[in-house]
Amino acid sequence: DAKTTQPNSMESNEEEPVHLPCNHSTISGTDYIHWYRQLPSQGPEYVIHGLTSNVNNRMASLAIAEDRKSSTLILHRATLRDAAVYYCTITGNQFYFGTGTSLTVIP
Amino acid sequence: GAGVSQSPRYKVAKRGQDVALRCDPISGHVSLFWYQQALGQGPEFLTYFQNEAQLDKSGLPSDRFFAERPEGSVSTLKIQRTQQEDSAVYLCASSLWQDSWPDTQYFGPGTRLTVL
Repeated sequence: DAKTTQPNSMESNEEEPVHLPCNHSTISGTDYIHWYRQLPSQGPEYVIHGLTSNVNNRMASLAIAEDRKSSTLILHRATLRDAAVYYCTITGNQFYFGTGTSLTVIP
Repeated sequence: GAGVSQSPRYKVAKRGQDVALRCDPISGHVSLFWYQQALGQGPEFLTYFQNEAQLDKSGLPSDRFFAERPEGSVSTLKIQRTQQEDSAVYLCASSLWQDSWPDTQYFGPGTRLTVL
């Protein structure tokens, strides 16, 4: 099953862009890439997903490498409410969340 | 509309007691998932239902853990003879399930179980 690796933690200044990387080198051709985030004391919530092309929604953008072995979640202007743990998952192994990246936003 | 709800939100049990955790998925969602999340860790898969059928229970840590979804809606995760290592947040998620991916999961707030 495909698994993911992410940095344990990252920091960003408020209103600055944030790029959260994820490696998924064992991804297969039909696997989607999903990103979730988990605010303190809450369950994870969906952020964005994609297959091959870059994706944008109101929350974030997802940039997918051409070989699909990595992806980057982009928060265009970090706010204090974006402080959370961010998980990328691969639908070939939709049950694997890993430890995620804890994002700290500095005012 | 209503999201995934879980009850109770907090549960304290003495070691050796049995507990039952309830999950109400989003109406119409076919798939239901249970996860265990230890402090500082990501969610770890326990089991998965499609309607009332339990299709994957490979993540259940021992035979003390049992899950059911008898009518394809509400699900209960039961833990028998609780141990201190069972202390964690138990998350439930549901998804619409369509024949083709992607299938986004919607999570409940979790039940925090503390075993003393």
